[in-house]
Amino acid sequence: KNQVEQSPQSLIILEGKNCTLQCNYTVSPFSNLRWYKQDTGRGPVSLTIMTFSENTKSNGRYTATLDADTKQSSLHITASQLSDSASYICVVSPNTGGFKTIFGAGTRLFVKA
Amino acid sequence: NAGVTQTPKFQVLKTGQSMTLQCAQDMNHEYMSWYRQDPGMGLRLIHYSVGAGITDQGEVPNGYNVSRSTTEDFPLRLLSAAPSQTSVYFCASSASGRGGHEQYFGPGTRLTVT
Repeated sequence: KNQVEQSPQSLIILEGKNCTLQCNYTVSPFSNLRWYKQDTGRGPVSLTIMTFSENTKSNGRYTATLDADTKQSSLHITASQLSDSASYICVVSPNTGGFKTIFGAGTRLFVKA
Repeated sequence: NAGVTQTPKFQVLKTGQSMTLQCAQDMNHEYMSWYRQDPGMGLRLIHYSVGAGITDQGEVPNGYNVSRSTTEDFPLRLLSAAPSQTSVYFCASSASGRGGHEQYFGPGTRLTVT
């Protein structure tokens, strides 16, 4: 069964610190992987997308990495800000030519002053 | 552009009642979808549409109906609400139906069924 597992479930860090969120998936064949940010009370917004042949993709202070051999991705946040407090969702698209994507349950990040 | 809009933002229903969640997008996207988000779980696809007049079932379609008469609108109907349908519902649209397409999400509707 295609699955996307994220860890940790939640994380608390101090403002200015770095953190790394993990995503493991079993989706195969695999087309691409996207990270979304979801603020409380809002819909998810795309941060990065990587195809199976890409290793890293950056968007400002957010850097996503992908290891297609081990089926792992990480999202690294540098110099965290209070506005980074949100849920971060890993989403994997199977390479089946279809519409459906598989969402992880997300990591809830709290950044404290 | 307003993007994807959803109404209402909050709703409380009694078991057995019916209602329609509204979704509209102004980006001329062909693909639209409905998801539900429950605590500790990833978003799950309820129904989706690849264009006006064309809809299909997702992972958890039971108890829900959809129709797509225009490109802009994609309403979700709950036929007879049940407590198991308490959830946050998100509508999304995208320009492409291929895997990896960026989906633009609405702000969500928080539904409670008592």
